[in-house]
Amino acid sequence: AQTVTQSQPEMSVQEAETVTLSCTYDTSESDYYLFWYKQPPSRQMILVIRQEAYKQQNATENRFSVNFQKAAKSFSLKISDSQLGDAAMYFCAYTSGGTSYGKLTFGQGTILTVHP
Amino acid sequence: GAGVSQTPSNKVTEKGKYVELRCDPISGHTALYWYRQSLGQGPEFLIYFQGTGAADDSGLPNDRFFAVRPEGSVSTLKIQRTERGDSAVYLCASSSGLVASEQFFGPGTRLTVL
Repeated sequence: AQTVTQSQPEMSVQEAETVTLSCTYDTSESDYYLFWYKQPPSRQMILVIRQEAYKQQNATENRFSVNFQKAAKSFSLKISDSQLGDAAMYFCAYTSGGTSYGKLTFGQGTILTVHP
Repeated sequence: GAGVSQTPSNKVTEKGKYVELRCDPISGHTALYWYRQSLGQGPEFLIYFQGTGAADDSGLPNDRFFAVRPEGSVSTLKIQRTERGDSAVYLCASSSGLVASEQFFGPGTRLTVL
């Protein structure tokens, strides 16, 4: 079974600074997808960024980028120019590419605090 | 609708009672998922529907939990003989059903069993 581990229960950053959230995963599959989701206090999960395992290039979405190290099974999220609205719980998630339905396996989450 | 909606937003019940949680997915989305999120934890998969059928219910914790999606749109998660350990936020998500397509989540139902 696949597992996802987030070893940082909490992180904090100053507004306009950069922060990196860590995630490692364990799988025997070669075809899979990784995601970072954001969950604000409203509880609604929002997709931040997605990475296909077969792509060597790291995904980027505006201020959000990932460092995908397939051999090390590491998938970290970098937030640049942090904003107060980035404060939330962040979850790393995995889904197999071998199945057609995309069941997500989540990590435990990292609470991000942004200081003005 | 514009997004996934879930009702009620909060539900308080007594131990032993029966509850139903409703999920209204994005129109046209064939895939629907239920997850359970305990306090301070990541969501855990419960069940997946493709159309009207439950394609994978391997995450349901026991036979007190059941879900339906009779017309391939709205889904209801049903919990019989609730226990205090069932207290959690129940999240619903829908997607187009394509491989690894984005799942759009609802705001969840917070269930409290007294």
